[in-house]
Amino acid sequence: KNEVEQSPQNLTAQEGEFITINCSYSVGISALHWLQQHPGGGIVSLFMLSSGKKKHGRLIATINIQEKHSSLHITASHPRDSAVYICAVIRGNLIFGKGTKLSVKP
Amino acid sequence: GAVVSQHPSWVICKSGTSVKIECRSLDFQATTMFWYRQFPKQSLMLMATSNEGSKATYEQGVEKDKFLINHASLTLSTLTVTSAHPEDSSFYICSATLTGIGETQYFGPGTRLLVL
Repeated sequence: KNEVEQSPQNLTAQEGEFITINCSYSVGISALHWLQQHPGGGIVSLFMLSSGKKKHGRLIATINIQEKHSSLHITASHPRDSAVYICAVIRGNLIFGKGTKLSVKP
Repeated sequence: GAVVSQHPSWVICKSGTSVKIECRSLDFQATTMFWYRQFPKQSLMLMATSNEGSKATYEQGVEKDKFLINHASLTLSTLTVTSAHPEDSSFYICSATLTGIGETQYFGPGTRLLVL
């Protein structure tokens, strides 16, 4: 069993829909990253959080340390949000989930 | 702010040659840089962590003599794939932080390596 599990693996949404991507982990961590990887491969760090909730534009990330769970929400999704979203936990080093491929249709 | 560049963005080489990939932090000093590898449809895998002025720390299973890492300054780290073979073909990504793993990581755009 992977230490970091993401769900769903693939997600197709219509433009404007509210999207949730989940990340569960089985190890103790100091913090968690949400990353966005574009089709060309480039990676952008969206959030790093160790508790509570963070918001940036249409993106919201939450984490529940006790339940070992984090969610990434995208409000009013847009085709340009299409990417792979990766959860990575910090436990000494970074441990990556396998990613969620999001496709937003116009 | 916090831009990380990589060069080259892609490279094709013959088997047996060595390839150097540069990772630069353009507008900040990066105490720690990380090198990752990603095979198609796979997760990112950490290869090594490098701190300026000291030897890199390699992850288990990564050959340090094959993947030479030099972090000579606070803005530059290089990864050299020595005697590259087709199985080394991958997407190599670096990231940099101001102080270490617990800080936000800023990722480079990646380098696609194809070894023929």
